[in-house]
Amino acid sequence: DAEITQSPRHKITETGRQVTLACHQTWNHNNMFWYRQDLGHGLRLIHYSYGVQDTNKGEVSDGYSVSRSNTEDLPLTLESAASSQTSVYFCASSTGTGDMETQYFGPGTRLLVL
Amino acid sequence: GQNIDQPTEMTATEGAIVQINCTYQTSGFNGLFWYQQHAGEAPTFLSYNVLDGLEEKGRFSSFLSRSKGYSYLLLKELQMKDSASYLCAPVDSNYQLIWGAGTKLIIKP
Repeated sequence: DAEITQSPRHKITETGRQVTLACHQTWNHNNMFWYRQDLGHGLRLIHYSYGVQDTNKGEVSDGYSVSRSNTEDLPLTLESAASSQTSVYFCASSTGTGDMETQYFGPGTRLLVL
Repeated sequence: GQNIDQPTEMTATEGAIVQINCTYQTSGFNGLFWYQQHAGEAPTFLSYNVLDGLEEKGRFSSFLSRSKGYSYLLLKELQMKDSASYLCAPVDSNYQLIWGAGTKLIIKP
């Protein structure tokens, strides 16, 4: 079955380290998104991509970067991890064939920055 | 600015009906999503409304009034497995989903 996966599922790192979170989807979706979710806040968009070589900044992109070298993957990199980046990170994808499409979410990555 | 307002927490009894409200202000509007999220899990799609009115899907129904900036999710015949957070997400003029903080629904036997 087609799916969207994230790895690692849990990560503990130290302040200042570079961290990369992986997102892989096998639906052949054009659109991919990265969100963070914190208590008391809705999902907040970090970066998104509408296709290979396309990346865009979201609402809370500072300190994060993404690259899209193929359809299946959109890795999220924290350049220099900060304690404020402790959060649950969700990757999502949608087909990219219409104006408004359902987003399907991966299982999430829990990141703790010490 | 863009703003989504939904109750933080609601409690209901198994077998009953509950209505979760969402009011929104967005820059433009291209429909509204409802997602369900169980604790520790990913959000999953429930419904999408783009026109005014009620859409029914089994035990769950979703209503939209664009002129009032208002939507609700109606859950009937509540089951214990319906205990979850329910996320309201209107779509703005750039086709971005603007997510509310969610309503935590607690079902009691």
